[in-house]
Amino acid sequence: DGGITQSPKYLFRKEGQNVTLSCEQNLNHDAMYWYRQDPGQGLRLIYYSQIVNDFQKGDIAEGYSVSREKKESFPLTVTSAQKNPTAFYLCASSIGENTEAFFGQGTRLTVV
Amino acid sequence: GENVEQHPSTLSVQEGDSAVIKCTYSDSASNYFPWYKQELGKRPQLIIDIRSNVGEKKDQRIAVTLNKTAKHFSLHITETQPEDSAVYFCAANYGGSQGNLIFGKGTKLSVKP
Repeated sequence: DGGITQSPKYLFRKEGQNVTLSCEQNLNHDAMYWYRQDPGQGLRLIYYSQIVNDFQKGDIAEGYSVSREKKESFPLTVTSAQKNPTAFYLCASSIGENTEAFFGQGTRLTVV
Repeated sequence: GENVEQHPSTLSVQEGDSAVIKCTYSDSASNYFPWYKQELGKRPQLIIDIRSNVGEKKDQRIAVTLNKTAKHFSLHITETQPEDSAVYFCAANYGGSQGNLIFGKGTKLSVKP
């Protein structure tokens, strides 16, 4: 379904714990992105990667980390330094710049 | 910083009427402007996009117009149907790079049968 998979769909964590969100794509896309979606806020870019072993910070990277060891995978770690981690997280991929971004189904993270 | 303003935040129309959503952007280097539709509980999906070398693009009932001078672009949906009900997001690339897509805050469109 769309070739880009996020898991899990729902995730609960205790405050102070790091958590890693999975994103896998089989579309052979070079570029991958992580967005955070909050009610009434649109989508805000956390990190993006245009190529394997390279990634750049987006607008709200503080408290997050990523890796891009494989073309297919772009995991996002929400660290304890993120002040307000409860949100809906969307991963996306695209062939390259200025082309359609395909989104995953999203992961709803709740920190209690 | 760079931003994309989107209006209105909510829009309610009668089935068959037209709907227009407007966005303005601040980065003069922006050259790619996609529109995404997100139905409740689902992922955003691209419905149409436009590049800065054209002023208008149409796809059946959906059209997008771009005014580079004024730095604004609009989504037009004609003959609206209940299945058009969703949240619509506009976006613009920042610095000419799609890796830095900046999204508007979204417009919740409700089409009443």
